[in-house]
Amino acid sequence: TQLLKQSPQFLSIQEGENLTVYCNSSSVFSSLQWYRQEPGEGPVLLVTVVTGGEVKKLKRLTFQFGDARKDSSLHITAAQPGDTGLYLCAGLMGGSARQLTFGSGTQLTVLP
Amino acid sequence: DAGITQSPRHKVTETGTPVTLRCHQTENHRYMYWYRQDPGHGLRLIHYSYGVKDTDKGEVSDGYSVSRSKTEDFLLTLESATSSQTSVYFCAISGVAGEQYFGPGTRLTVT
Repeated sequence: TQLLKQSPQFLSIQEGENLTVYCNSSSVFSSLQWYRQEPGEGPVLLVTVVTGGEVKKLKRLTFQFGDARKDSSLHITAAQPGDTGLYLCAGLMGGSARQLTFGSGTQLTVLP
Repeated sequence: DAGITQSPRHKVTETGTPVTLRCHQTENHRYMYWYRQDPGHGLRLIHYSYGVKDTDKGEVSDGYSVSRSKTEDFLLTLESATSSQTSVYFCAISGVAGEQYFGPGTRLTVT
């Protein structure tokens, strides 16, 4: 059972275009994290959103947590080839084990 | 840099042989995790540990066992490797806010 559905699975765009990646669930999470992974490496944390409706910006990347804390989005403005990578969302459930549930990922390719 | 290393980084083994992967951290974190990553599945939790000798199962634990005899080391063992266990394995530690920091991964091929 995929608790977190991420879309689209693949995205190929030209440099300078904008894009949005979605992460949706029927479950409520105490926080939602976004990671970026490059080939041959482990995922690297980009941001954590905690409060429903929260918006965080990281240069050209904008992250939003849904009001009900069930979904999130990542918007990239004026994408660059250096943004190419696998983007993963992950929801933190309540409880002491600090377990993350990961989405299946969005493979982004930005063409020069 | 979260100070996480994994060994080996690559391994090819035959079906039916035992395999042990090692995760080592230098940050004295309590929580450690083992994931596998396969195309179309994202990262799936195999086992995790919340302290020395304290471990629990994750989503895909069948065929895997773990041990943690020291804070810094978390071992993942495939008792009898199968081709379905061909994957990339990642170790992670958890920070104070639940964020996770990953090692560089081990690519395992079972022939």
